Amino acid sequence: GALVYQYPRRTICKSGTSMRMECQAVGFQATSVAWYRQSPQKTFELIALSTVNSAIKYEQNFTQEKFPISHPNLSFSSMTVLNAYLEDRGLYLCGASPGQGHERLFFGHGTKLSVL
Amino acid sequence: GDSVTQTEGLVTLTEGLPVMLNCTYQTIYSNPFLFWYVQHLNESPRLLLKSFTDNKRTEHQGFHATLHKSSSSFHLQKSSAQLSDSALYYCALSEDTNAYKVIFGKGTHLHVLP
Repeated sequence: GALVYQYPRRTICKSGTSMRMECQAVGFQATSVAWYRQSPQKTFELIALSTVNSAIKYEQNFTQEKFPISHPNLSFSSMTVLNAYLEDRGLYLCGASPGQGHERLFFGHGTKLSVL
Repeated sequence: GDSVTQTEGLVTLTEGLPVMLNCTYQTIYSNPFLFWYVQHLNESPRLLLKSFTDNKRTEHQGFHATLHKSSSSFHLQKSSAQLSDSALYYCALSEDTNAYKVIFGKGTHLHVLP
């Protein structure tokens, strides 16, 4: 079956430092990968959408300078949170899609980021 | 912009009773896709239902929902709740031309009591 492995599951970083999270698609080709953040008491916000061989599209309030994303092939994507501060706390979720039109996203388990 | 509203943050009911979780949406697109995702404790969100056809009932695993474009609604229902249905349920929306951009509601926590 189709699965998405996301790691690490939890991470703690000091304020001002950076951390990287990764997603691995298994059983399908991840043509598109969407990265979301769920801040405390909020729903999932789309950070950016990455499609292989296309430019990465960032949503308003999210930038490449803050959340650089790599999507080098059809099975892997990573995102880094640079200079993390308290407001960056939350659950980061990647969702990968085979790109077959109106198909669903297969989600990873998420990376819970805590900032000290 | 597009938005999804789930009015209930928490729904608590006894096993065997019917379930209804509300979902309404706003979008400028005439052919939106609506989804229900379910997230159990310590698991990732999993697709439960999806629909893009007006007034057509969609069913899966005992749950059903009907997209009503006239009222911009996509309520989730089940005739009889089970303990294992306790989870977080997200209603979500995507545009037909950009299906990978999914906009989530705030989620409704369903708590089923024995």
